[in-house]
Amino acid sequence: NAGVTQTPKFRVLKTGQSMTLLCAQDMNHEYMYWYRQDPGMGLRLIHYSVGEGTTAKGEVPDGYNVSRLKKQNFLLGLESAAPSQTSVYFCASLAGAQETQYFGPGTRLLVL
Amino acid sequence: SQQGEEDPQALSIQEGENATMNCSYKTSINNLQWYRQNSGRGLVHLILIRSNEREKHSGRLRVTLDTSKKSSSLLITASRAADTASYFCATVSSSSASKIIFGSGTRLSIRP
Repeated sequence: NAGVTQTPKFRVLKTGQSMTLLCAQDMNHEYMYWYRQDPGMGLRLIHYSVGEGTTAKGEVPDGYNVSRLKKQNFLLGLESAAPSQTSVYFCASLAGAQETQYFGPGTRLLVL
Repeated sequence: SQQGEEDPQALSIQEGENATMNCSYKTSINNLQWYRQNSGRGLVHLILIRSNEREKHSGRLRVTLDTSKKSSSLLITASRAADTASYFCATVSSSSASKIIFGSGTRLSIRP
């Protein structure tokens, strides 16, 4: 099993550009999450999903949209990137509420 | 604001000593989890403690949970250089069992 994978690993955007980050998991997990981590900080929850076709807002959802059209994929979109969105983005999945999260390797995003 | 807050923010100890990190949270939880993050890497799950548990052990790790004080501690005994990393607590709310919120982390440095 590949576990949780993220695409791309690194991306540079100009202010105002859009992009989509892809998270994929092959563990048949119901729950998936997108976090951002700024330097020296903890992870902040952006959006999460409790199943295919469902999404919910986390702590810092503004400026981001998500979709969970397939159980194994969770997409994070930035419609109009801003320098404040420069961060490392982590995706995670878990099987159930009393389980542990499995994290992807992260996507480094730089917005100029 | 984040649900979990770690204390101290940074800790530097001699190899072989014990390291203790604390986590405080604000609302009722379903469970609390501890994760480790090596520099530039993703998060790795260490241990999960449920709200009805008071103490849990895993190898050199000991976690305690005091729900009356809304706090948890992570003890790493006989520290090693490889333990150098950032440690995060994450809480799963009892009202929203799929929402996982991370604290700001403790940066642990082990001096040889």
